[in-house]
Amino acid sequence: QKEVEQNSGPLSVPEGAIASLNCTYSDRGSQSFFWYRQYSGKSPELIMSIYSNGDKEDGRFTAQLNKASQYVSLLIRDSQPSDSATYLCAVNTGKTSYDKVIFGPGTSLSVIP
Amino acid sequence: GAGVSQSPRYKVAKRGQDVALRCDPISGHVSLFWYQQALGQGPEFLTYFQNEAQLDKSGLPSDRFFAERPEGSVSTLKIQRTQQEDSAVYLCASSLTVGQGTEKLFFGSGTQLSVL
Repeated sequence: QKEVEQNSGPLSVPEGAIASLNCTYSDRGSQSFFWYRQYSGKSPELIMSIYSNGDKEDGRFTAQLNKASQYVSLLIRDSQPSDSATYLCAVNTGKTSYDKVIFGPGTSLSVIP
Repeated sequence: GAGVSQSPRYKVAKRGQDVALRCDPISGHVSLFWYQQALGQGPEFLTYFQNEAQLDKSGLPSDRFFAERPEGSVSTLKIQRTQQEDSAVYLCASSLTVGQGTEKLFFGSGTQLSVL
């Protein structure tokens, strides 16, 4: 079992719709959770981080964390064509003294104008 | 510099050649990571440096892979006797502190390695 798993995608949504991206992780002791966005041919960039159960909102983005279910999600409201990218879920298991971040395989999102 | 700098941006190697990939992290960043990203996959952890100390090399695929950061700033990832399966984008990332659990990783643009 992979440490971090995501919907395989690709996911296509019409412009203005809500895009929902899901992630599960295997290590119950994981402490920190991140969503990175990666445009084709570019490097990943952090868009959201979440550390406690519940929702965290930042503009059009909402991250949701449920540690009991070992589940993290990212909602993108009012999706725009510029949101088309691969979204990487990442987890810091907290097992090491440093911030070892493990990435999922990514979900490709296409927002159709 | 303003960001993480990697060079070369592209590298083509013949099978069996040795390659060296360079990473210049953000000045003052203590932590430095190397990741390998195959096409259509997420980044896979290779190794971690805290200043000049290589604290974790558990992700290095084989003993053909070697990384160093001798003065705690610039890092080099060396791959000996390259194989076709080494073809991937090699990403370097740095972060300011250690063990906070909340640190943001700053990624370089990566080196795309193609082994023919």
